[in-house]
Amino acid sequence: GENVEQHPSTLSVQEGDSAVIKCTYSDSASNYFPWYKQELGKGPQLIIDIRSNVGEKKDQRIAVTLNKTAKHFSLHITETQPEDSAVYFCAATGANNLFFGTGTRLTVIP
Amino acid sequence: DGGITQSPKYLFRKEGQNVTLSCEQNLNHDAMYWYRQDPGQGLRLIYYSQIVNDFQKGDIAEGYSVSREKKESFPLTVTSAQKNPTAFYLCASSISGVDTEAFFGQGTRLTVV
Repeated sequence: GENVEQHPSTLSVQEGDSAVIKCTYSDSASNYFPWYKQELGKGPQLIIDIRSNVGEKKDQRIAVTLNKTAKHFSLHITETQPEDSAVYFCAATGANNLFFGTGTRLTVIP
Repeated sequence: DGGITQSPKYLFRKEGQNVTLSCEQNLNHDAMYWYRQDPGQGLRLIYYSQIVNDFQKGDIAEGYSVSREKKESFPLTVTSAQKNPTAFYLCASSISGVDTEAFFGQGTRLTVV
């Protein structure tokens, strides 16, 4: 089955700096790669997603890149703000399931 | 407001008891899902349903049961057969399959005492 690995598990950045979170997946048939943000005590919320026919997608300060050949995709957050502090999960589809990474706790230091 | 509602937010259960977690959505979504979240781990799929009166086991279905009698509702029962039920449970829905945006509820934290 699909295996999604996510790094790093924790990340601290100064406000205004960029943050990058990386994920790899194993199933070459995966075609949908969402990123979720989870705040303490809440359910995850989709922040951006990308499909396998696209290499990059951007939404304001957030961007995702996908390298199908290497089977990895990354989340880029620029000009980080304290409200970006949360746990971020990547995911990839496989066999009627959405497989999640283990999460990255991002802390933005004011 | 459209959304997905889980209740209760916190639930305590004695060992050996079954307990049912509620999940309701008014987004008119066909697909609904139950995930379990443990500290330091990603979300793991328990059960999913693509349509009313049909559901499929996920990766960790043992000790759990579900029903999907209405499009809006997908309750999860944690049975006494679940050996380690203490966790954070998340319900989600999406328009169709897993390759469409999933909307999550606020979660239910279940503690076995």
